[in-house]
Amino acid sequence: QSALTQPASVSGSPGQSITISCTGTSSDIGGYNYVSWYQQHPGKAPKLMIYDVSNRPSGVSDRFSGSKSGNTASLTISGLQAEDESDYYCNSYTYSGTLVFGGGTKLTVL
Amino acid sequence: QVQLVESGGGVVQPGRSLRLSCAASEFMFSSYAMHWVRQAPGRGLEWVAVISYDGSYENYADSVKGRFTISRDNSKSTLYLQMNGLRADDTAVYCCAKGLGTGSWYYLDYWGRGTLVTVSS
Repeated sequence: QSALTQPASVSGSPGQSITISCTGTSSDIGGYNYVSWYQQHPGKAPKLMIYDVSNRPSGVSDRFSGSKSGNTASLTISGLQAEDESDYYCNSYTYSGTLVFGGGTKLTVL
Repeated sequence: QVQLVESGGGVVQPGRSLRLSCAASEFMFSSYAMHWVRQAPGRGLEWVAVISYDGSYENYADSVKGRFTISRDNSKSTLYLQMNGLRADDTAVYCCAKGLGTGSWYYLDYWGRGTLVTVSS
């Protein structure tokens, strides 16, 4: 299975909103609402931020939101804060019962 | 607090085998699906394999299918990854991760710190 496609990098200023896209196919993102997003700070374990396309686990800030349209999922972070600077990965369930990650997006808070 | 501690990594020659372990604690290990995910140095996350809570279901990424085997011992709260026919592109930090819940095994809510596997002659 091919990795989902994410932009390599995005940036924004504190207080602004940014959106990270994640493009797959009808065999993964487009076919199922099992999309998740993970945040990974350097040297740290990934943290689940969004599941079921748009649900937040307990403890995750409501500044993080997810959505999906067709074969593309998106993660939006509003009110950017310095602590949001991190790598972000999307993930989807696939038709073969496997999982596939995106290539990752580095978020820089200017 | 959920704890996942991997071990068994090291330097291995191409074509050889290695078995990784993941010791779980502070949760009901036998009730949750478990995963292995790897990250090559400076690269992104790559999902490797999943095993159901009772070991009856397994699935693998195409890149490791036929070479890697995931297993678990619920009596020891331990997850394993048997890696055979190792190749240079298997070099990565291997992390175990816990599935979110019974109907949500495809979400990984707790991760270990990982163990480094280096495949080199």
